[in-house]
Amino acid sequence: EAGVAQSPRYKIIEKRQSVAFWCNPISGHATLYWYQQILGQGPKLLIQFQNNGVVDDSQLPKDRFSAERLKGVDSTLKIQPAKLEDSAVYLCASSLGVLKRSEQFFGPGTRLTVL
Amino acid sequence: DQQVKQNSPSLSVQEGRISILNCDYTNSMFDYFLWYKKYPAEGPTFLISISSIKDKNEDGRFTVFLNKSAKHLSLHIVPSQPGDSAVYFCAADGSGNTGKLIFGQGTTLQVKP
Repeated sequence: EAGVAQSPRYKIIEKRQSVAFWCNPISGHATLYWYQQILGQGPKLLIQFQNNGVVDDSQLPKDRFSAERLKGVDSTLKIQPAKLEDSAVYLCASSLGVLKRSEQFFGPGTRLTVL
Repeated sequence: DQQVKQNSPSLSVQEGRISILNCDYTNSMFDYFLWYKKYPAEGPTFLISISSIKDKNEDGRFTVFLNKSAKHLSLHIVPSQPGDSAVYFCAADGSGNTGKLIFGQGTTLQVKP
């Protein structure tokens, strides 16, 4: 079974530029998550989708971050414009269901460096 | 406000000995806890979990203990192996039934041969 795919794996941009990350979850998984992991910290949930609807985006900085999940499958996360403090690993995860105790499977992440 | 805390950034143990990783939480409403393991350049992978109705859950070399009164959980790895060297994250299922996970900062475990 293929895992969660993410691209690109690495990205370096200058502040105020825009960047987009792509995630392809495990086939059949209804729920998709985007996490931000800053160096030395644990992953922090940015947004959670069930199919193509948003379940939780309470910690998404909506003035610069946006995410969409078209057709309830792939998802993109965009930052526009980027700030230095956005340097982090962006992890995508998916799970079969939306309820608790539905195991989340993580992709390898995209490491973003903002200069 | 850090609701899940792992106060030890790193731990080094000898192969064959026990590794004990600790985690504290502040919200008494948390009722399900998980440990994830992360190798460099990979995403976290699920290791073991425990519900608040239990105080212990065991899976092979891995055992998680939960002390609800102290709001503390620990992961025991016995015996430790060099392949266990990784970052370990404690997480709590923190938001009703949405499956939202709140992670600790992680502990880097090094198992020396």
